Parts: sequence; C-alpha cells; structure tokens
Amino acid sequence: KAGVTQTPRYLIKTRGQQVTLSCSPISGHRSVSWYQQTPGQGLQFLFEYFSETQRNKGNFPGRFSGRQFSNSRSEMNVSTLELGDSALYLCASNTGQGETQYFGPGTRLLVL
Amino acid sequence: QKEVEQDPGPLSVPEGAIVSLNCTYSNSAFQYFMWYRQYSRKGPELLMYTYSSGNKEDGRFTAQVDKSSKYISLFIRDSQPSDSATYLCAMRGGTYKYIFGTGTRLKVLA
Repeated sequence: KAGVTQTPRYLIKTRGQQVTLSCSPISGHRSVSWYQQTPGQGLQFLFEYFSETQRNKGNFPGRFSGRQFSNSRSEMNVSTLELGDSALYLCASNTGQGETQYFGPGTRLLVL
Repeated sequence: QKEVEQDPGPLSVPEGAIVSLNCTYSNSAFQYFMWYRQYSRKGPELLMYTYSSGNKEDGRFTAQVDKSSKYISLFIRDSQPSDSATYLCAMRGGTYKYIFGTGTRLKVLA
C-alpha cells in the first residue's frame, strides 16, 4: 500500500499571503489529521477530519482551516500568513477507528 | 501542566547500550499509547503501538505502559547509530485526538 503523501514538499511564501497544502491518506483510511511541528513547540494538533466532517480541533486561530473530500483527500489552508507560521506541516491518516495513525513526509513552509 | 511530559534530551549513549525513553501523562482517560521515531527533516514513523497497560516487544524495541503510574517507556536494546533520531510518545483517549510529547533526541555514538 502506498503511504501518506503530501504536496508540495517545500513552500516559500511572504507575510500576508495564503497557502494551501494537500494530503492524500493511505488507501482505505477515512481520517486525516493535521499537525504543525516547530522546534520550540513540538508537534501540535491542528484538526482532524473524518468522512468529510471536522471531528476534532486544536487551539489554532481561524486563519487555519481545512477540508476533506469524498475520496478522503484533505487540504489545509492558512490565510494571512505570519512569520510564526513557518513550520513543518504534517498530516497523518488512520482508518477512523483510531488505533494509530501514519504520517506523511510533511510540507516545510517558510514565511518571509 | 502539560498533558504529556517528555524529557527533551539530548541523550547520548555508546553503541550497544540499552536506551530507556519515558513519558508521563496526566489524563487517566488515555488508553492508546504509541512511540514514533523521527529522523531529521522527515515525518514521524510509527514504532510501537500499545493498548492499555502491559508490555509489547518487537525486535530490539520494548514498549511498557503503566497506567496506574501514568508512565510509559520505550526500551531499545543493542542500540545502533542508525537509531539516532528524535523519539516521540503519543497517546489518546476516546476522542480520536492524539496528544504528543515534545520528543527526546537520541544520539548513539559508534
């Protein structure tokens, strides 16, 4: 089975712009979670989508949003980028029953 | 207080040593416990998964969960330089929301 894939792998944006990241889960997985990873804060949960509905949400501002499509692929959008949004954005998928989750390689976002 | 506490290290050990990595947690509702390994500039890779209390062994890796003490451990036997990475513990209760430790950096010296 193919693993979790994320595109693009690297992005450079400037403050004020917006960005969309994409995640394709493992085939058969219906849950996709998004995380932000920074050296100072570690891995922080953004949100989780299951069957096209947001099932869980972390403590991030409304500039961070997401959605999931009927084929379980997910996108994450960050509007009005700030310098502090520079991070590795990871998505993870699981079947939806929550036994464990598998991560993609991440998208490294640099905001200048 | 953070829900999950993990010593950030770094931890340096000689090749062949037994490594002990630990996390403590405060939420008694956590039932599922995981360990991930993350190499520099890569996504986390699942190493071990345990449900509830007890031990689980997979090759050189052993995961232990002590729910009464709210303490989980990962032991690595015969450590190798290729084990040098950051190790993240993770856990969840019934909400499908995973909580991660901040990670322990491990360096195994040849």
